[in-house]
Amino acid sequence: NAGVTQTPKFQVLKTGQSMTLQCAQDMNHEYMSWYRQDPGMGLRLIHYSVGAGITDQGEVPNGYNVSRSTTEDFPLRLLSAAPSQTSVYFCASRRQGEGKLFFGSGTQLSVL
Amino acid sequence: QQPVQSPQAVILREGEDAVINCSSSKALYSVHWYRQKHGEAPVFLMILLKGGEQKGHDKISASFNEKKQQSSLYLTASQLSYSGTYFCGVLHFGNEKLTFGTGTRLTIIP
Repeated sequence: NAGVTQTPKFQVLKTGQSMTLQCAQDMNHEYMSWYRQDPGMGLRLIHYSVGAGITDQGEVPNGYNVSRSTTEDFPLRLLSAAPSQTSVYFCASRRQGEGKLFFGSGTQLSVL
Repeated sequence: QQPVQSPQAVILREGEDAVINCSSSKALYSVHWYRQKHGEAPVFLMILLKGGEQKGHDKISASFNEKKQQSSLYLTASQLSYSGTYFCGVLHFGNEKLTFGTGTRLTIIP
């Protein structure tokens, strides 16, 4: 089992560029989510999904789009990157209910 | 709405004990605890469901007071390997989204 696979590990963007962070899980988890981590701010929820075709906003959704066409994949799109989006991004998945959260290895994104 | 964690940072000598607290203003269904080492992803420690149960993981245990909407993580006889940042994550009734506190940085010195 690969678990949660997140790519890329590092990315540098220029302001205004767009990109997609990829996330895939092979555990048949219903719930998938994206978090960003900034110093002193903890893990803040960007978007989440409880199943294919269902997505919802988290605490900090502005500037990000998601879609969930399959159970396995949950990509995060930055439409027009801004320096404020410089952060470490984690994708995570779990079974619905009380299941523990499995994290990907993270993406360090810098927007210049 | 993020749960509130305290303290923000703790420095302990090896063998000492620590308590990390997590509280929410909304009714909690469950509380998760995770530990993150520098440069790595968070790793699951334990889940507590409503009912006030206490769980253990080696010398790390936790309690959940659903009346006060609080959970506490207890680290006893701390080891160097316990160093890292601890996060509580909470689930509320009728909502699947898991939100995290701002974390508690724990440093263990020999």
